[in-house]
Amino acid sequence: SQQGEEDPQALSIQEGENATMNCSYKTSINNLQWYRQNSGRGLVHLILIRSNEREKHSGRLRVTLDTSKKSSSLLITASRAADTASYFCATDPNTGNQFYFGTGTSLTVIP
Amino acid sequence: DTGVSQNPRHKITKRGQNVTFRCDPISEHNRLYWYRQTLGQGPEFLTYFQNEAQLEKSRLLSDRFSAERPKGSFSTLEIQRTEQGDSAMYLCASSLMPMNTEAFFGQGTRLTVV
Repeated sequence: SQQGEEDPQALSIQEGENATMNCSYKTSINNLQWYRQNSGRGLVHLILIRSNEREKHSGRLRVTLDTSKKSSSLLITASRAADTASYFCATDPNTGNQFYFGTGTSLTVIP
Repeated sequence: DTGVSQNPRHKITKRGQNVTFRCDPISEHNRLYWYRQTLGQGPEFLTYFQNEAQLEKSRLLSDRFSAERPKGSFSTLEIQRTEQGDSAMYLCASSLMPMNTEAFFGQGTRLTVV
């Protein structure tokens, strides 16, 4: 079963705009990871945020985590056409040893 | 070592045939995961290894699926008597224990059963 759920399912923006996508999950977690997947390709690891962290930055990426609301957000600033991809969150429940993915947000950045 | 490597990248097989995929994880990683992904869905957990020990299998994994990780290095995933419903992308990932470390994925093997 999939624990995470990304919102929105699809997002279309103009190049240069910011893109925000959200992830909600069901159980307590050790950490949460965000991945990018270009069509038909493997997943590229973007960022990991631990349960005791609230915010993390990596280049144009900003991730927040609110464990009280069981949610996370991924912000991509100054988007580029190359950011067009599907974005997934993966949660690592502290009751298990695997991680669960949501159904992803499909981002389209229009040049 | 540039990352997780999966072979083959694509496999087309006839229904009823057996197929085997290989995954070479990042060399120092002791955890190896197999996931399956169908179109429009997120990856779905199949099984994982801690070194050579297979510690967990999804209840969704039928008896036709078997995975091995001899010597705790590369892993193979075999599907026997393939069915059209097995058509999917099979993804391998590796990570380093303890928990709270990133898991890195390979490019996947796309299986098409005709």
